[in-house]
Amino acid sequence: QKEVEQNSGPLSVPEGAIASLNCTYSDRGSQSFFWYRQYSGKSPELIMFIYSNGDKEDGRFTAQLNKASQYVSLLIRDSQPSDSATYLCAAPASGGSYIPTFGRGTSLIVHP
Amino acid sequence: ETGVTQTPRHLVMGMTNKKSLKCEQHLGHNAMYWYKQSAKKPLELMFVYNFKEQTENNSVPSRFSPECPNSSHLFLHLHTLQPEDSALYLCASSQGNPSARWYTEAFFGQGTRLTVV
Repeated sequence: QKEVEQNSGPLSVPEGAIASLNCTYSDRGSQSFFWYRQYSGKSPELIMFIYSNGDKEDGRFTAQLNKASQYVSLLIRDSQPSDSATYLCAAPASGGSYIPTFGRGTSLIVHP
Repeated sequence: ETGVTQTPRHLVMGMTNKKSLKCEQHLGHNAMYWYKQSAKKPLELMFVYNFKEQTENNSVPSRFSPECPNSSHLFLHLHTLQPEDSALYLCASSQGNPSARWYTEAFFGQGTRLTVV
């Protein structure tokens, strides 16, 4: 049973566009959600976390959380070629451990 | 410079070898993790240690043996691996309280790229 679902992509957007990445999760009790970016051959790095319903903005990144619908999204405004990477969504695992479980990741390609 | 350091960065080993991966964190966290990342698959949680005590073992084969001597160091001992064990092994750390059911965001090391021949 998969607990965090992401479309593997690739999602291809032109430079300067808004990239929208989505993630759904299965555990209604999940409280915190994390977005990581992983460049090819590198380890994941945290870019955003969100705990409350609504939007959270940090520079060109906006995380959106809708607990009723059990989805969390990441918007990247003014996308740059350097944003090309795999974006991983993480949410607490079901079953009570609350250790973050990662989705498969969405590959984003920003072309000039 | 990352607060989580893994060595070695690359490792090639035969199926009969014994080797160990090392992880050290300088962030003052109390929880450390081993993840496995294979091509085209999600990050797989292998083991979790909280204050040196193992709190999670996700049905990992016994050919993988973790060791956590203190909250800053984590090892993964490898023995008689299979070619399908070839993957990127990632160590991570965070603050966690399993009894209260919360963990902060995880910080990852650079990983060890393991190839089993």
